[in-house]
Amino acid sequence: EAQVTQNPRYLITVTGKKLTVTCSQNMNHEYMSWYRQDPGLGLRQIYYSMNVEVTDKGDVPEGYKVSRKEKRNFPLILESPSPNQTSLYFCASSPQTGFNYGYTFGSGTRLTVV
Amino acid sequence: GNSVTQMEGPVTLSEEAFLTINCTYTATGYPSLFWYVQYPGEGLQLLLKATKADDKGSNKGFEATYRKETTSFHLEKGSVQVSDSAVYFCALRQSGTASKLTFGTGTRLQVTL
Repeated sequence: EAQVTQNPRYLITVTGKKLTVTCSQNMNHEYMSWYRQDPGLGLRQIYYSMNVEVTDKGDVPEGYKVSRKEKRNFPLILESPSPNQTSLYFCASSPQTGFNYGYTFGSGTRLTVV
Repeated sequence: GNSVTQMEGPVTLSEEAFLTINCTYTATGYPSLFWYVQYPGEGLQLLLKATKADDKGSNKGFEATYRKETTSFHLEKGSVQVSDSAVYFCALRQSGTASKLTFGTGTRLQVTL
């Protein structure tokens, strides 16, 4: 089944403790992206990647890192999480070619930083 | 920059009522337009899309028509069901290799018996 898999689904952590949210897709998509969803703000892009070793900032990149060492994986790293990063996070992927493709989304990771 | 504006929710309807969720956009050029649905506790699923002016996207009884003259992509369904209760997001994707999906803030639909 074609899908984007995120882990974990739920995570509670303390301020300053480094964490990684994993994302993997099995559709051979070139384009991958991370979004955060907050009430009243919709979804905002954090980082994206157009292919292996090619990443760039989205609209709200502060406090986040990403890497794309393999085509299928695109982990999101929070080096020193803070409470304002408490949010619902989504990974998504898309074929790079053409803008008429939507994204396939993962099921989400609900992060709470205390 | 690009932006998407959706009507404020929540929208509360009785089962079998007619649904309209308004969506307008601002973009340079001619983007592709999408509606996504998010059921409680789940990720976003693509509901329908339209890639050029006057295209109509449709799926599961939902429809939306790409109106370039009014920069709109309103979502409609003739008869909603309780199972349609969810949050609906309108989005656009501009042409370009680094293009991203730009989302509206979402509209919550609650359908009651």
